[in-house]
Amino acid sequence: RKEVEQDPGPFNVPEGATVAFNCTYSNSASQSFFWYRQDCRKEPKLLMSVYSSGNEDGRFTAQLNRASQYISLLIRDSKLSDSATYLCVVNKGAGSYQLTFGKGTKLSVIP
Amino acid sequence: DAMVIQNPRYQVTQFGKPVTLSCSQTLNHNVMYWYQQKSSQAPKLLFHYYDKDFNNEADTPDNFQSRRPNTSFCFLDIRSPGLGDAAMYLCATSSTSTGFNQPQHFGDGTRLSIL
Repeated sequence: RKEVEQDPGPFNVPEGATVAFNCTYSNSASQSFFWYRQDCRKEPKLLMSVYSSGNEDGRFTAQLNRASQYISLLIRDSKLSDSATYLCVVNKGAGSYQLTFGKGTKLSVIP
Repeated sequence: DAMVIQNPRYQVTQFGKPVTLSCSQTLNHNVMYWYQQKSSQAPKLLFHYYDKDFNNEADTPDNFQSRRPNTSFCFLDIRSPGLGDAAMYLCATSSTSTGFNQPQHFGDGTRLSIL
């Protein structure tokens, strides 16, 4: 099983749609979870951290299910500017500062 | 007010000709990382410095070396670049001063092409 697994997509959605990305991770000792956004030929940028209780930042909602080792990202009211690759990122285990990156899910928001 | 700065943004070198990529940071983070990323792939960690301590990944080729002369700067040296080394090279930093659950912050990356 891969350390961090994501559906590669692409997800092609119309403007205004709601889209959800899923991610699973293999190390049950992982404690830190993040979603990064990466535009084409650019660097990854932190979108949001993911907390156990779930968290929301504007149109973006992240959820964590530790029992199932599953993380999700929900984007509501998609904008053209949301088009990017979304990387699921997990730390390597208890007390580890090192991160493991998923391959990412590509999102294209269509006018 | 870029916080992790990589130079150059684009680097073209010849097959086998040594090349050095640089990274500097104004965040005063104690950990610095070098990643290699190829198209449609996840960033692959090459090595990192925890303070002055160098940590090499087991599968990083000997062709890749790194130096961290001080907290702010880190260099990636590719001694004899091959065609397979063409990629985006990403420098990242993080801090463990407030715990081990902090995100990493990336520079803009250097896109390396091999002729």
